Amino acid sequence: ETGVTQSPTHLIKTRGQQVTLRCSSQSGHNTVSWYQQALGQGPQFIFQYYREEENGRGNFPPRFSGLQFPNYSSELNVNALELDDSALYLCASRKTEERFYGYTFGSGTRLTVV
Amino acid sequence: KNEVEQSPQNLTAQEGEFITINCSYSVGISALHWLQQHPGGGIVSLFMLSSGKKKHGRLIATINIQEKHSSLHITASHPRDSAVYICAVRSSTLSQNTGNQFYFGTGTSLTVIP
Repeated sequence: ETGVTQSPTHLIKTRGQQVTLRCSSQSGHNTVSWYQQALGQGPQFIFQYYREEENGRGNFPPRFSGLQFPNYSSELNVNALELDDSALYLCASRKTEERFYGYTFGSGTRLTVV
Repeated sequence: KNEVEQSPQNLTAQEGEFITINCSYSVGISALHWLQQHPGGGIVSLFMLSSGKKKHGRLIATINIQEKHSSLHITASHPRDSAVYICAVRSSTLSQNTGNQFYFGTGTSLTVIP
């Protein structure tokens, strides 16, 4: 039980389509990060949101975009899906004001692009 | 070159054996996490370290900040410990582009045989 819920758990999409992945964080977790984990690889940082504003971004193209909402939920949107977008997508959140910088990870959404 | 290197990549052990997984990193960090990822992808944060040593049940994590090295030890290993163990470091450098992002190792796949 992590306190961070991601949906859906599995998803199959066709190349060229658009997808929205969702993450519901614990109350008060005002920082959320999204990661892409390809098979056999470590997670790669996509972007981070703090209080509904993007405040950090990794090496991902603009077709990867996000939103963070006041109720501590967030979305990852991917447009024009490519086969290489097939991966596990993880979100992690924390209370920025917490001195201990503890992150809680969700269980991930496995996206398959065919 | 990855900012975080783990060894070994794969590890097979007999039940009851003492296991060590190593992590070296090349960036300045504010914290280091040891994560456990089971088949299906869900990630659990086992430890967060900024110095010294932590123990939780049969798991022990140590970090040497000067040497930029951490180890995860599992005593009296059990088949249910079979998982991928990932070392993740949170950069202490606040980048304009990426914020205080995580860098992940590629993971150590552990199989404990009964």
